[in-house]
Amino acid sequence: DIQMTQSPSSLSASIGDRVTITCRASQSIRNYLNWYQHKPGKPPKLLIHGASTLLNGVPSRFSGSGSGTDFTLTISSLQPEDLATYYCQQSYSTRLAFGGGTKVEIK
Amino acid sequence: QVQLQQWGAGLLKPSETLSLTCAVYGGSFRGYYWTWIRQPPGKGLEWIGEIAHSGSPNYNSTLKSRVTISIDTSKNQFSLKVTSVTAADTALYYCARGETWDGTYYYLDLWGRGNLVSVSS
Repeated sequence: DIQMTQSPSSLSASIGDRVTITCRASQSIRNYLNWYQHKPGKPPKLLIHGASTLLNGVPSRFSGSGSGTDFTLTISSLQPEDLATYYCQQSYSTRLAFGGGTKVEIK
Repeated sequence: QVQLQQWGAGLLKPSETLSLTCAVYGGSFRGYYWTWIRQPPGKGLEWIGEIAHSGSPNYNSTLKSRVTISIDTSKNQFSLKVTSVTAADTALYYCARGETWDGTYYYLDLWGRGNLVSVSS
């Protein structure tokens, strides 16, 4: 099975900071990589699919890049409402897998 | 507006069978992957498995021996059963819809609100 590794597992940043989260796959998954935002008490929300395609309605400060095994989610200017845990997820294999998550806190 | 509504027993004893159902309202049932995901307390998301409208299910290899996902197209519902539960199966369980992009990968674009299932003697 394909393993997904995210780093860091948590981070603390100030409002307006640029935040970068990394996701690495145990083998090449082309661009079959999705990013989700998960806030407490709510279901996860899809932000980006296909490594870099932003879902309609998602703020443009979110962006994704990468292909093969290494991927990045970037928040260009952190806002208070971005407090959440972020997960990557691969759908290259028939058995999906999530990364371990990155908890983003506001300083 | 398409919605997923899920339900099932929230408190189980060890060795019992977990049973959850998710209904799709306001949208098509065809052409999607219907998926179950769980989140144990304090941990991350774990994919349990999926079933396509007309295909065979796929399961997480670590759960495969205990999990069954089935589909009832007449009711626009899909279900999850996990046998022989233990405390390790305590989690928030979500149902979700998987949509395919250009026939290649798919992503989970619609989620149920989640069901907390606790296993305790």
